[in-house]
Amino acid sequence: DAKTTQPPSMDCAEGRAANLPCNHSTISGNEYVYWYRQIHSQGPQYIIHGLKNNETNEMASLIITEDRKSSTLILPHATLRDTAVYYCIVRVGAGGTSYGKLTFGQGTILTVHP
Amino acid sequence: DADVTQTPRNRITKTGKRIMLECSQTKGHDRMYWYRQDPGLGLRLIYYSFDVKDINKGEISDGYSVSRQAQAKFSLSLESAIPNQTALYFCATSERTSGRLDTQYFGPGTRLTVL
Repeated sequence: DAKTTQPPSMDCAEGRAANLPCNHSTISGNEYVYWYRQIHSQGPQYIIHGLKNNETNEMASLIITEDRKSSTLILPHATLRDTAVYYCIVRVGAGGTSYGKLTFGQGTILTVHP
Repeated sequence: DADVTQTPRNRITKTGKRIMLECSQTKGHDRMYWYRQDPGLGLRLIYYSFDVKDINKGEISDGYSVSRQAQAKFSLSLESAIPNQTALYFCATSERTSGRLDTQYFGPGTRLTVL
């Protein structure tokens, strides 16, 4: 799986958009970009994923650059409960008996302050 | 995610004891996983199972064994616990897919301390 690079920490004011960047310059054509977050010692929570198109769901938006070498997770209106470690993961999909390895790096510690 | 439960949530044990961590899910997923998390090392895969009759080793299976008793249950055992197995353990599930996506959903975790 391609390696990802994220800033170790970021701050965001409550109510503002949080934009979390991720570099994955060695991503392959069959690898997806996944985002998870982990709120202090809880189980990681799936946020969103994409291949090459931008994606949006009820939690966040994912913007992937045209060359797919980087992406940005956007939390449109951050709240205090969004304070967590955010992991950007690049992985192949899994079909049939194939296991799509999910490798968590160090992530970005996002702190949302009042 | 309340659909994936782990018991116990916390456990303190002594070196040499046998420990079993249990995971249950109501999501109807075929695939289940066990990870451990250590400070500064992220999550590492211990074992995974694609169905009841399919068990596979992950990155760090030494010292661990698993049992898939049913589609909904996947247990992790430490045959003889040692202090460096002190960690946070997570169970996860995902749905079998013929496509290329299998999003994993995690349980709340078990904090294990081996003295």
